Amino acid sequence: KAGVTQTPRYLIKTRGQQVTLSCSPISGHRSVSWYQQTPGQGLQFLFEYFSETQRNKGNFPGRFSGRQFSNSRSEMNVSTLELGDSALYLCASSTQQGFNEQFFGPGTRLTVL
Amino acid sequence: GDSVTQMEGPVTLSEEAFLTINCTYTATGYPSLFWYVQYPGEGLQLLLKATKADDKGSNKGFEATYRKETTSFHLEKGSVQVSDSAVYFCALSDTRDDKIIFGKGTRLHILP
Repeated sequence: KAGVTQTPRYLIKTRGQQVTLSCSPISGHRSVSWYQQTPGQGLQFLFEYFSETQRNKGNFPGRFSGRQFSNSRSEMNVSTLELGDSALYLCASSTQQGFNEQFFGPGTRLTVL
Repeated sequence: GDSVTQMEGPVTLSEEAFLTINCTYTATGYPSLFWYVQYPGEGLQLLLKATKADDKGSNKGFEATYRKETTSFHLEKGSVQVSDSAVYFCALSDTRDDKIIFGKGTRLHILP
């Protein structure tokens, strides 16, 4: 069974631009969660989607948004990029809501110049 | 609010040494506890978990016991290998607010 895939793997943007990251969960998984990983703040939860609905959200500004499609694929959007948004963005999928059995993708490395 | 504190690294050990990575938590509810491992250039992998007090999670020779009295979930392995070199994250998930909180991570280097 294929694992969680994230595209693109690497991305370079400039301040003020917006970016969309994509996550394809493991087949049959209906929950997708997104995380931001930085050296300073560590690993922080962004949001979780289950069956196309956002279940919960971490403490991030409204510039960070996401959605989930009927095939469970998810996208994350960051608008008006700031230098501090440079990070590794990870997504994880699970068969159920919550965090008990998550499988992570390799991440998208975003660099904001 | 809830929090996770784990020992700062890097931790450097020789192959076959005994490993302990400390993790303590603060939570007002009854969280589930996890250890994740991140190998270079990869995402996280769930290493083990425990969902209630006194549960012991184990996998690949690693163990951790959920100690409510000391609010701890220390990771141990009796004999480490070079292939165990990675970053290890302790995490808690509280169903009351449906969030997950990670520790800062501990980088482990195993020397041959």
